Amino acid sequence: SQQGEEDPQALSIQEGENATMNCSYKTSINNLQWYRQNSGRGLVHLILIRSNEREKHSGRLRVTLDTSKKSSSLLITASRAADTASYFCATPNNFNKFYFGSGTKLNVKP
Amino acid sequence: NAGVTQTPKFQVLKTGQSMTLQCAQDMNHEYMSWYRQDPGMGLRLIHYSVGAGITDQGEVPNGYNVSRSTTEDFPLRLLSAAPSQTSVYFCASSYSTGRVYGYTFGSGTRLTVV
Repeated sequence: SQQGEEDPQALSIQEGENATMNCSYKTSINNLQWYRQNSGRGLVHLILIRSNEREKHSGRLRVTLDTSKKSSSLLITASRAADTASYFCATPNNFNKFYFGSGTKLNVKP
Repeated sequence: NAGVTQTPKFQVLKTGQSMTLQCAQDMNHEYMSWYRQDPGMGLRLIHYSVGAGITDQGEVPNGYNVSRSTTEDFPLRLLSAAPSQTSVYFCASSYSTGRVYGYTFGSGTRLTVV
């Protein structure tokens, strides 16, 4: 399987705390992407990091990529109740196939 | 700009019935794909298309057909519905193959097969 796999499967934190979730994958990649899914909705693209990048920021999001360990992490700083959602990493595999992990379910308690 | 539009949002089918899930995008995206999402799981790729007239299979294509006669539309056909096809179906599109750009997702079709 080429999927990225997220860890932990579930995470519960208080509002204001930071949330960190990890993604591991199996093969070499061109880029890795993170998506958010609110309950009952489609996925929303958050951030893309290319294989030659080590870190990328977007607002309260910080993504790191370690290609030697085949892993990535997503950090959400100063979390809010509205950040409650499932987060997925996605790794393009072959030319036209794009795989998602099973996700980390984040619950931010007010 | 509507993005990716999926219809219907909900559907109940009887075993053996056939139906078509519609997907349309107005962003002139070349790449379109269908995923299914089962409870507590990620998304599994059913079929995808890199442009009008070109389609290919993903991880779980059995029981599903697709066609891409226009850039805008990518319908998914269930040939003979089975309870195992109960799932939430998402259509997604991208400017390119997804390798460089992110996907835009539709809001999903929740299908129940009884």
